[in-house]
Amino acid sequence: DQQVKQNSPSLSVQEGRISILNCDYTNSMFDYFLWYKKYPAEGPTFLISISSIKDKNEDGRFTVFLNKSAKHLSLHIVPSQPGDSAVYFCAASYYKLSFGAGTTVTVRA
Amino acid sequence: NAGVTQTPKFRVLKTGQSMTLLCAQDMNHEYMYWYRQDPGMGLRLIHYSVGEGTTAKGEVPDGYNVSRLKKQNFLLGLESAAPSQTSVYFCASSQGTVNTEAFFGQGTRLTVV
Repeated sequence: DQQVKQNSPSLSVQEGRISILNCDYTNSMFDYFLWYKKYPAEGPTFLISISSIKDKNEDGRFTVFLNKSAKHLSLHIVPSQPGDSAVYFCAASYYKLSFGAGTTVTVRA
Repeated sequence: NAGVTQTPKFRVLKTGQSMTLLCAQDMNHEYMYWYRQDPGMGLRLIHYSVGEGTTAKGEVPDGYNVSRLKKQNFLLGLESAAPSQTSVYFCASSQGTVNTEAFFGQGTRLTVV
């Protein structure tokens, strides 16, 4: 029973444009949400997070939006750069950290 | 800054063999996790620990055992390896679960033949 879902397995975007990654969750007890980035043959690295009491958090080119009523969060990357090509995992936390299946982002030159 | 270190990085096992994966963290974190990553499945939680001497089951605990005898170490054991346990295993640690991120190791690629 996967409580965190990323329904788009892949996303292709042109360099300079916006990348939008989506994530849905089912457990209303989740109180902290995170995005991780993963390159091949490396462990995931933390990208950005948001507390359940907020609806937006920004860090440079990365913005995470949280819609608690819809149990939905999204990650916006603007502008997208070739180095952003990676797998992005959405994660949610309540006593333990649960991950989605990941979205592979490819940024085209 | 070692962070989270996993040993070994690669291993090939025969069906029925046993092995232990070691995870060590030097950040004095309370929480430690073991995940497995499979294509299309993302990161699935096997077992986790909220402090020294504690362990709890995650989403996919069957076939695995864990121990947290020391705060800095979290061991994942496979008593009788099966081909279905072929995967990439990641260990992570965090100080808590709210307003803090988890740090991951480099992963262990395990193949069971």
